[in-house]
Amino acid sequence: QQQVKQSPQSLIVQKGGISIINCAYENTAFDYFPWYQQFPGKGPALLIAIRPDVSEKKEGRFTISFNKSAKQFSLHIMDSQPGDSATYFCAASREGGSEKLVFGKGTKLTVNP
Amino acid sequence: NAGVTQTPKFRILKIGQSMTLQCTQDMNHNYMYWYRQDPGMGLKLIYYSVGAGITDKGEVPNGYNVSRSTTEDFPLRLELAAPSQTSVYFCASRSGQGRNTIYFGEGSWLTVV
Repeated sequence: QQQVKQSPQSLIVQKGGISIINCAYENTAFDYFPWYQQFPGKGPALLIAIRPDVSEKKEGRFTISFNKSAKQFSLHIMDSQPGDSATYFCAASREGGSEKLVFGKGTKLTVNP
Repeated sequence: NAGVTQTPKFRILKIGQSMTLQCTQDMNHNYMYWYRQDPGMGLKLIYYSVGAGITDKGEVPNGYNVSRSTTEDFPLRLELAAPSQTSVYFCASRSGQGRNTIYFGEGSWLTVV
């Protein structure tokens, strides 16, 4: 049973465009939703995270939109740049669960110059 | 600032051999994790620890063992290596206070032939 479903598997965007990656979760006990960015040969690094008490969180060009009723959240990358080319993972965890992150399968983003 | 350090970076094992992946963190974090990453499958939790002397199984623990004798170190032991254990292994850590960032090491690439 996949607890966090991520789509698309891969995404190609032109420089300056908007990249959108979607995730859906099943466990209503999840209350923390981070996005991780991973460059080839490196470990994942936290990009941005949201709690379900807000519907949107923005940090620079990166925005998380959260829909609690639909159990969905998405990452929007505005003005995408070639340096944003990486694999992005959504994840979820619940309080009291030792912060065991459950990851989506990842989205490989390519931003063409 | 070292963060989470994993060794070795690359290793080739023969079927049936055993080895230990080393992980150490210098941030005095209580929580430590081992994940494996397979292509297109995201990251799956193998084992985790909430403090020295305390470990617990994650989603995919079979074929692995861990120990946590100190706060800094969390080695992962592979016994009787199998081709199915060919993967990239990531160690991670976080402090025990609040819902904060999980920091990942740079990964250990393991091939079992």
